[in-house]
Amino acid sequence: DTEVTQTPKHLVMGMTNKKSLKCEQHMGHRAMYWYKQKAKKPPELMFVYSYEKLSINESVPSRFSPECPNSSLLNLHLHALQPEDSALYLCASSQGRLAGGSEQYFGPGTRLTVT
Amino acid sequence: AQSVTQLDSQVPVFEEAPVELRCNYSSSVSVYLFWYVQYPNQGLQLLLKYLSGSTLVKGINGFEAEFNKSQTSFHLRKPSVHISDTAEYFCASLMDSSYKLIFGSGTRLLVRP
Repeated sequence: DTEVTQTPKHLVMGMTNKKSLKCEQHMGHRAMYWYKQKAKKPPELMFVYSYEKLSINESVPSRFSPECPNSSLLNLHLHALQPEDSALYLCASSQGRLAGGSEQYFGPGTRLTVT
Repeated sequence: AQSVTQLDSQVPVFEEAPVELRCNYSSSVSVYLFWYVQYPNQGLQLLLKYLSGSTLVKGINGFEAEFNKSQTSFHLRKPSVHISDTAEYFCASLMDSSYKLIFGSGTRLLVRP
């Protein structure tokens, strides 16, 4: 099973709202990722969690707050977003950095619209 | 610095024709290479990967790619495309000491009847 699930599929929120995106995998992977993808562009890395600790933060604004409650779950908390934050948010997971386990598996994404 | 270049932003091709999507990478160290496909309004699906070993890599949906170290290329090929192959294709590289995938800009494959 190489499935990463994400909820919700679509989200519309106002600039003063607080919402959360959720991601789950049951592949035993120990690295999980958040990406942001704008139309007709490749995904841009936002955060990486390795063994439930934040490993990489790509200088993401503080209105995005990641959380990794356990090795299977990854959340992205959203607060006071701007319209330019509207995008497809992708979650991914991987076994880690060893050869043979480094590929990342992506979820279907959450389409976020900020009004 | 590591980078990935996809030379064609769009490749139109007729159904049942062969196709090649080009990818070149640059890195001063060994890298792993991947091709992902993204259908409209969906996430990325791993088509194939090169980690080591045989330079000809076979993936899902009849796609294959050849790793060429001297030309620093990892071109994706399919001998006969279907309408359903219409999608965005991303080439990506990863250093074995990093979590950070470096993506190319993407190539839109447009298969026409």
